[in-house]
Amino acid sequence: KAGVTQTPRYLIKTRGQQVTLSCSPISGHRSVSWYQQTPGQGLQFLFEYFSETQRNKGNFPGRFSGRQFSNSRSEMNVSTLELGDSALYLCASSLEPGLAREQFFGPGTRLTVL
Amino acid sequence: QQQVKQSPQSLIVQKGGISIINCAYENTAFDYFPWYQQFPGKGPALLIAIRPDVSEKKEGRFTISFNKSAKQFSLHIMDSQPGDSATYFCAASTRTGGSYIPTFGRGTSLIVHP
Repeated sequence: KAGVTQTPRYLIKTRGQQVTLSCSPISGHRSVSWYQQTPGQGLQFLFEYFSETQRNKGNFPGRFSGRQFSNSRSEMNVSTLELGDSALYLCASSLEPGLAREQFFGPGTRLTVL
Repeated sequence: QQQVKQSPQSLIVQKGGISIINCAYENTAFDYFPWYQQFPGKGPALLIAIRPDVSEKKEGRFTISFNKSAKQFSLHIMDSQPGDSATYFCAASTRTGGSYIPTFGRGTSLIVHP
């Protein structure tokens, strides 16, 4: 069974640009969560999607947005990139929300903002 | 405001030794306490988790000790092996809208010398 897939794995952008990251959950998983990981702030929850609906959102500015498609694949978008947005962005999937023990993380997308 | 404080930041242990990582939390609403293991280039993977109705949980060489009154919990890795070298994150979560949204500690980089 394939794991969570994230594309691209590495990305370099400049300030002011926007970026879209993609996540394909494990087959059959319908819940997708996104996290930001930085050396300074650690791992922080961005948002969670289930059945194409955002269920929860972390404490991030509106420049961070996401969506989920009918096949459970998810994308997150960051507009007007800032240097501080440089981070590893992790996606995690589970069958349903609330199944914390069944949540599996992808390898992440390393975003560098210059 | 750091709701989950993790220590130490880094830890070096000899093969066969015991690795101990500690976490403290503030929010008494937290009711699920997982530990994650992350290897370089990989996303975090759930290692072991505990709920506050038990004081200890053991899975193989990994044990969580939980002290509800002190709002502290710790991970013990017995007979530490070089393959255990990784970054470990504690987390605490509460059910929010039917989902478990974790608040992570800053992580502990564990190195086990052969």
